[in-house]
Amino acid sequence: NAGVMQNPRHLVRRRGQEARLRCSPMKGHSHVYWYRQLPEEGLKFMVYLQKENIIDESGMPKERFSAEFPKEGPSILRIQQVVRGDSAAYFCASSPPGTPGEQYFGPGTRLTVT
Amino acid sequence: AQSVTQLDSQVPVFEEAPVELRCNYSSSVSVYLFWYVQYPNQGLQLLLKYLSGSTLVESINGFEAEFNKSQTSFHLRKPSVHISDTAEYFCAVKEASGSRLTFGEGTQLTVNP
Repeated sequence: NAGVMQNPRHLVRRRGQEARLRCSPMKGHSHVYWYRQLPEEGLKFMVYLQKENIIDESGMPKERFSAEFPKEGPSILRIQQVVRGDSAAYFCASSPPGTPGEQYFGPGTRLTVT
Repeated sequence: AQSVTQLDSQVPVFEEAPVELRCNYSSSVSVYLFWYVQYPNQGLQLLLKYLSGSTLVESINGFEAEFNKSQTSFHLRKPSVHISDTAEYFCAVKEASGSRLTFGEGTQLTVNP
């Protein structure tokens, strides 16, 4: 059973460009979470999605950030018009339905904005 | 809202010494508690979890943690560490009825020969 897949592992963008981060959950998992880890900090929750639904986006910045988890395909975290402060590691986690909260993490995408 | 405090940002120890990584949490409702480990440039791996039942939980590689409700703590311990235990350790809490994990700032454990 493959784990949570994220790609790309490393992404370099210039200021003002768009960044698209992809996450494929573990087989059988229908819940996806995105977290951001800024340098020297812990992980901060961004958004929680189920297939075709955003359940909790209270951790998402109000502008430039969006997330989706379509019926088919991976979950996408999209950052428009990136700024240097967006440089961070972005982690995706997944969990199966009905579990009390154990989340399985992917290897992360390290975004660098130049 | 819940919060997590990891009291030590860096813990250096010698190989085969015991170690304790401290974690305190704050929440007004029932919670689940987790420890995750992160090796350099990798994602987080679940080390152990407390959901209910016995307050002492153990991992397969010798770590253990005890849930102390009165002290709102979930400290991680290992009686004898190895070089390979060098990593960053994150304590996390989740409301029993919620979805998000709230993480502490992390503790960097460095095991020296």
